[in-house]
Amino acid sequence: GAVVSQHPSRVICKSGTSVKIECRSLDFQATTMFWYRQFPKQSLMLMATSNEGSKATYEQGVEKDKFLINHASLTLSTLTVTSAHPEDSSFYICSALRDPGTEAFFGQGTRLTVV
Amino acid sequence: ELKVEQNPLFLSMQEGKNYTIYCNYSTTSDRLYWYRQDPGKSLESLFVLLSNGAVKQEGRLMASLDTKARLSTLHITAAVHDLSATYFCAVVPFVGETSGSRLTFGEGTQLTVNP
Repeated sequence: GAVVSQHPSRVICKSGTSVKIECRSLDFQATTMFWYRQFPKQSLMLMATSNEGSKATYEQGVEKDKFLINHASLTLSTLTVTSAHPEDSSFYICSALRDPGTEAFFGQGTRLTVV
Repeated sequence: ELKVEQNPLFLSMQEGKNYTIYCNYSTTSDRLYWYRQDPGKSLESLFVLLSNGAVKQEGRLMASLDTKARLSTLHITAAVHDLSATYFCAVVPFVGETSGSRLTFGEGTQLTVNP
């Protein structure tokens, strides 16, 4: 089956610092990767869609200068939370799509805590 | 804007009982997913429903899709404690003539199965 690896699984950072989260498709090339955010007891909210080699498309209300997404290769996308604040503490989940119109596969998620 | 509504949002049931979770969505779609999420974990794919009338079963869970009614159900038969988790449905809407790739999630149903 398709495997998507997300790293790190947990990170604690100080307020004002930046954190990078990696999402890798291990056994397939991902044309598209998605980044979601999930607050406790809530559903997943799509933050942005990224295609390899092009700029990410951000959902309404998501600050593109704060959540930097880079999809430099067909197997790696990164999400950098810049100048993190406690309200950015959340569970971040990526998913990767092999081909349009097919099922996306989810990473294990990253629990970000900003102190 | 696509809306996906699940009910109930909270479900507490006794072991051995049957129950159904409902997922309604507001736009044309031919792809619907059901996921399970355990606390602190990412999503586990349960079912992919690709056409009207599709029915899939795995163990004590059975999912169905009625695209005309824009409704999917997840039926639990003879519940056991191990089924306690949050269940999400997610829909991919049509984009023009074809199916898109973006998932929109329901709010989730938190299921607790009591001994």
